[in-house]
Amino acid sequence: DAGVIQSPRHEVTEMGQEVTLRCKPISGHDYLFWYRQTMMRGLELLIYFNNNVPIDDSGMPEDRFSAKMPNASFSTLKIQPSEPRDSAVYFCASTLSRATEAFFGQGTRLTVV
Amino acid sequence: SQQGEEDPQALSIQEGENATMNCSYKTSINNLQWYRQNSGRGLVHLILIRSNEREKHSGRLRVTLDTSKKSSSLLITASRAADTASYFCATDATSGTSYGKLTFGQGTILTVHP
Repeated sequence: DAGVIQSPRHEVTEMGQEVTLRCKPISGHDYLFWYRQTMMRGLELLIYFNNNVPIDDSGMPEDRFSAKMPNASFSTLKIQPSEPRDSAVYFCASTLSRATEAFFGQGTRLTVV
Repeated sequence: SQQGEEDPQALSIQEGENATMNCSYKTSINNLQWYRQNSGRGLVHLILIRSNEREKHSGRLRVTLDTSKKSSSLLITASRAADTASYFCATDATSGTSYGKLTFGQGTILTVHP
């Protein structure tokens, strides 16, 4: 397997624009996690899914953020409208089952200007 | 909120020395994991220790877990310049509403000087 694949790797957008981040987890993994990493706040868990169902979205900062997992091989994180404070590296990770090793994607570096 | 908290925030040592990083957490856990992150890259899993284990080894890594103190330590022996990275602990919650939730601490930045 190619591992967790995220796209795009880099995204620069203007404030107010919609941004969509994509993630393809490892085939057969039941859990998918979205994290945001900044110098100030560290690695924050935004939302996670089990078998495509959102389990906990308490880390999603505001209604401007939404995430979906329409099937076992694809998830999106959408920010609409984007703001400069959303600038961060967004990571997707997947695990085979609960409490097992997490495999991370390379991340999407988002810059909102 | 972050479940795990690492200390120190930064650690600078010479090649060949040992590096010890600590992690404290707040709630009951199923297991505790340690990850490494090189600058600009995704996190890579190092080792997992279950709540009923006290110590685990993997190569130059030694992890201990004290559930009574809700703390863990990661020891890297005979460090190398290539060990320079950020190290994070992660915990898996046991509560039903957060089944499978994996949260990370703030990390320790380790710098190993050649």
